[in-house]
Amino acid sequence: NAGVMQNPRHLVRRRGQEARLRCSPMKGHSHVYWYRQLPEEGLKFMVYLQKENIIDESGMPKERFSAEFPKEGPSILRIQQVVRGDSAAYFCASNHGQTYEQYFGPGTRLTVT
Amino acid sequence: GQQVMQIPQYQHVQEGEDFTTYCNSSTTLSNIQWYKQRPGGHPVFLIQLVKSGEVKKQKRLTFQFGEAKKNSSLHITATQTTDVGTYFCAGPAGNNRKLIWGLGTSLAVNP
Repeated sequence: NAGVMQNPRHLVRRRGQEARLRCSPMKGHSHVYWYRQLPEEGLKFMVYLQKENIIDESGMPKERFSAEFPKEGPSILRIQQVVRGDSAAYFCASNHGQTYEQYFGPGTRLTVT
Repeated sequence: GQQVMQIPQYQHVQEGEDFTTYCNSSTTLSNIQWYKQRPGGHPVFLIQLVKSGEVKKQKRLTFQFGEAKKNSSLHITATQTTDVGTYFCAGPAGNNRKLIWGLGTSLAVNP
């Protein structure tokens, strides 16, 4: 059973460019959660999605950030016009929504130069 | 708002010593979970506790859920270098499946 997959694993963007982070949940999982983690810090919740629905986006910055989880294909976290402060590790996690435990992908390390 | 706090933030131990991290929630939790993140890695689910006063063991790790379901602890007996990492607790937030996370306890083990 393949685990949660994220790509790319490392992404370098110049200030002002767009970053697209992809997350394919574990097989059978329809709920996806995105987190951001700065070095030596904890996990900051960003957004919780179910297929074609945003359930909770209370942790998402109002500007430049968006997320989707279409009926087909991976969940995508998009960051427009990136700034240096967006440099971080972005993790996605998934579950089937009937329990609370979450299974994490390996993360995407975003570096903004 | 709802908060989950963990102490200590950092802990250095000699290999073979015991280690405990504590998790306290500002509200009663229906369950609490523990995760481990190795340096450079991603969080990995360890265990979920549901019942008041519940104690579960995984080899050298002992997890406990408080009677009031507002606190929890993780105890590691005779630490090994493989125990190095950050241990997070997390509990449900509100009425969806979102979790509220503690800031984690980073464990360093000196061989």
